[in-house]
Amino acid sequence: GQNIDQPTEMTATEGAIVQINCTYQTSGFNGLFWYQQHAGEAPTFLSYNVLDGLEEKGRFSSFLSRSKGYSYLLLKELQMKDSASYLCALTGTTDSWGKFQFGAGTQVVVTP
Amino acid sequence: SAVISQKPSRDICQRGTSLTIQCQVDSQVTMMFWYRQQPGQSLTLIATANQGSEATYESGFVIDKFPISRPNLTFSTLTVSNLSPEDSSIYLCSVDGTGDYEQYFGPGTRLTVT
Repeated sequence: GQNIDQPTEMTATEGAIVQINCTYQTSGFNGLFWYQQHAGEAPTFLSYNVLDGLEEKGRFSSFLSRSKGYSYLLLKELQMKDSASYLCALTGTTDSWGKFQFGAGTQVVVTP
Repeated sequence: SAVISQKPSRDICQRGTSLTIQCQVDSQVTMMFWYRQQPGQSLTLIATANQGSEATYESGFVIDKFPISRPNLTFSTLTVSNLSPEDSSIYLCSVDGTGDYEQYFGPGTRLTVT
């Protein structure tokens, strides 16, 4: 299996930085993805990692360590609109990038 | 990139009936995926739909309950059959990005079974 664990909820203030951790147990995967999902909306892509290391995309960065079974999503300069659920997801191991297994999601609450 | 539309956006159905959800993509894609998101939970993959072959179902999902059609490279349908209140969920289709690693999701269909 690919058990994926994320904290249930995190609270941070506007302008701050928040780090959302994701740990997993799996024998292999193609990539680790992070999605943002606002209530009632479809998930939107934020970042992905195929190789170990840090990937930066504006205010969002994602890190992967395959040897440690660990990833994190870093959100900088938090804005109120960043209040959402953040989903960690692993892609399939063989036939397709599209077969995701998602973590339960981390609800981030940004306060003024 | 890919733009995905789904119909209906929401529906309320009675127990024992069926609902067919349509997914339309603005470009040709090899694989389309159907996910379910139960209230307060994350997304779970139901099946993978390839054009010209039967859908591949994940553990816990069967064709009799979730028949899928994939008549061409831009369209798929998911039917949720013999509805029960436990089927109340959001159903989303998704596709691989062409030329990138992104996965694109449709806006979802919110199903409520009474």
